[in-house]
Amino acid sequence: GEDVEQSLFLSVREGDSSVINCTYTDSSSTYLYWYKQEPGAGLQLLTYIFSNMDMKQDQRLTVLLNKKDKHLSLRIADTQTGDSAIYFCAESIHGQNFVFGPGTRLSVLP
Amino acid sequence: NAGVTQTPKFRVLKTGQSMTLLCAQDMNHEYMYWYRQDPGMGLRLIHYSVGEGTTAKGEVPDGYNVSRLKKQNFLLGLESAAPSQTSVYFCASRTQNEQYFGPGTRLTVT
Repeated sequence: GEDVEQSLFLSVREGDSSVINCTYTDSSSTYLYWYKQEPGAGLQLLTYIFSNMDMKQDQRLTVLLNKKDKHLSLRIADTQTGDSAIYFCAESIHGQNFVFGPGTRLSVLP
Repeated sequence: NAGVTQTPKFRVLKTGQSMTLLCAQDMNHEYMYWYRQDPGMGLRLIHYSVGEGTTAKGEVPDGYNVSRLKKQNFLLGLESAAPSQTSVYFCASRTQNEQYFGPGTRLTVT
């Protein structure tokens, strides 16, 4: 079955880069997503990448996709305290349902 | 354009009570979803709908029922609440590639 895995916690210092990693199992995934969840709020779509792309950059965010290894990463440059949140990786299966990872809690230390 | 809204925001139920959570979207999306979020487990799909009048089971459907009588509304029902249903419930709707989430309903069953 489909499975998405992430490490649960990451701490970085303000101003450093953060790299959040994700692995997935379904090779038929068409889109892969990164969502951000702040305390007490719903999930906010940050960015997504089509499965035939290797990289996507959007301001401070860089997404890298290694389709061979089924590995997705999100790099946040110049991490700020406002970036503290839970980040979810998700894959879209057969264009219908989404499978989410458990989320990585990013803590940004001053 | 309010996006995806959920009511209520909070609710406390006693074991055996019933309730209905309402999700509404004003984006004319066909697909709608109900998820539950539990610590360390990410989001798990309860039920989903691919259009008005249709519903389908997700990963964890037991103990829940849904209805999609109108395209803009997706209702989640708990007929006889159990403590294991204590969770945060998120509704979402989607375009072809992007999913939009509501703010969540925090449900506690005592």
